[in-house]
Amino acid sequence: QSALTQPRSVSGSPGQSVSISCTRSSSDVGDLTYVSWYQQHPGKAPKLIIYDVTKRPSGVPDRFSGSKSGNTASLTISGLQAQDEADYYCCSYAGSSTVFGGGTELTVL
Amino acid sequence: QVQLQETGPGLVKPSETLSLTCTVSGSSFSNYYWTWIRQSPGKPLEWVGYIDYIDYTGSSNYNPSLKSRVAISLDTSKKHFSLTLTSVTAADTALYYCARGVTMIHLDVWGIGTTVTVSS
Repeated sequence: QSALTQPRSVSGSPGQSVSISCTRSSSDVGDLTYVSWYQQHPGKAPKLIIYDVTKRPSGVPDRFSGSKSGNTASLTISGLQAQDEADYYCCSYAGSSTVFGGGTELTVL
Repeated sequence: QVQLQETGPGLVKPSETLSLTCTVSGSSFSNYYWTWIRQSPGKPLEWVGYIDYIDYTGSSNYNPSLKSRVAISLDTSKKHFSLTLTSVTAADTALYYCARGVTMIHLDVWGIGTTVTVSS
């Protein structure tokens, strides 16, 4: 059980929007002031898509956005495309350590 | 362009020591967190630890669950950093990634990963 809780799976149809939540489930985790999100396609290394809660690295489409409210950070993907089908991981600080969420499998219907 | 490449034995016997190297090209070592992450089959990502290189000195930080068995070192002259994990068990079987960290959680460049199987 990770200190960052994510839904096991989410799904959406092409063109729709989906959101993936990442909830602080342990007091070891900070207040989610800093959160990163990673996308991992099957058999591939993770790729950074969001950092500092809301910022996108160069080259990441603006269809990907991040937000935070209270103890929950969220990744929203708008205009869903087939190539968005992947696993998504949130990541934050837990004391002096780094912690990843349990991962969410996104299925594009 | 920055590239990281993991190398090491694909098979390690139980109770022995796992050693992996990450060769870095296209980046200086200064002011980054050189990080190891692993992923057991069908499981989520697990942070192993990092070594940073701030002001020309390195300090390391490890996952508390691995702290007694893990060490990460850095050799700037050879342009690589290394992971050592002692007393391995089947639970250490995983795909091991190295990554460059702008911060501890902002990992902007990843290697492609190397699979390590612990088995006799």
